[in-house]
Amino acid sequence: DQQVKQNSPSLSVQEGRISILNCDYTNSMFDYFLWYKKYPAEGPTFLISISSIKDKNEDGRFTVFLNKSAKHLSLHIVPSQPGDSAVYFCAAISGAGSYQLTFGKGTKLSVIP
Amino acid sequence: DAEITQSPRHKITETGRQVTLACHQTWNHNNMFWYRQDLGHGLRLIHYSYGVQDTNKGEVSDGYSVSRSNTEDLPLTLESAASSQTSVYFCASSPGQNYGYTFGSGTRLTVV
Repeated sequence: DQQVKQNSPSLSVQEGRISILNCDYTNSMFDYFLWYKKYPAEGPTFLISISSIKDKNEDGRFTVFLNKSAKHLSLHIVPSQPGDSAVYFCAAISGAGSYQLTFGKGTKLSVIP
Repeated sequence: DAEITQSPRHKITETGRQVTLACHQTWNHNNMFWYRQDLGHGLRLIHYSYGVQDTNKGEVSDGYSVSRSNTEDLPLTLESAASSQTSVYFCASSPGQNYGYTFGSGTRLTVV
């Protein structure tokens, strides 16, 4: 049973517009969430995170929103750039003394110039 | 600079052979992880370690083993390689809870 779900395998956005990537989770024990970005033939790299005590975290062009009641988080990229084209993974950590990340299946973002 | 390195980057092996993938980190992180990435599945946890002599099974541990004799290394062994283990393998390390992982560049393994 998938605990972290990214229901959109792919997303295409025009350069300069907003990209919104969505993620849903089922495990109520998750209390820390992260987004990773992955280019082909490279390892995933950390992008941004959010604790469950917050509902928003911003870092430059990237903002993550968390809706705990809906068990939903989203990553907003504004403005989108061609270099943002990559696979984005949503991940979550349970607060119960675990250091393991549970990942979604990823969303491939294509930013069209 | 601290880093995490995986070797080899590419490996082709035959069914039934034992294969070991190396992972070495100089971050001095206690926590190390092995994931595999497959189309349609994302990243799935194979094994993990929270320190020297500590190893734990993840979601897809069957057919794999790890050992942790020092802080820097967590080698992943496929005891008898199967075609279903053809995948891209990523090693990662982390200093503690609520910290993101640092990933290696991956090993692409093909079992023929």
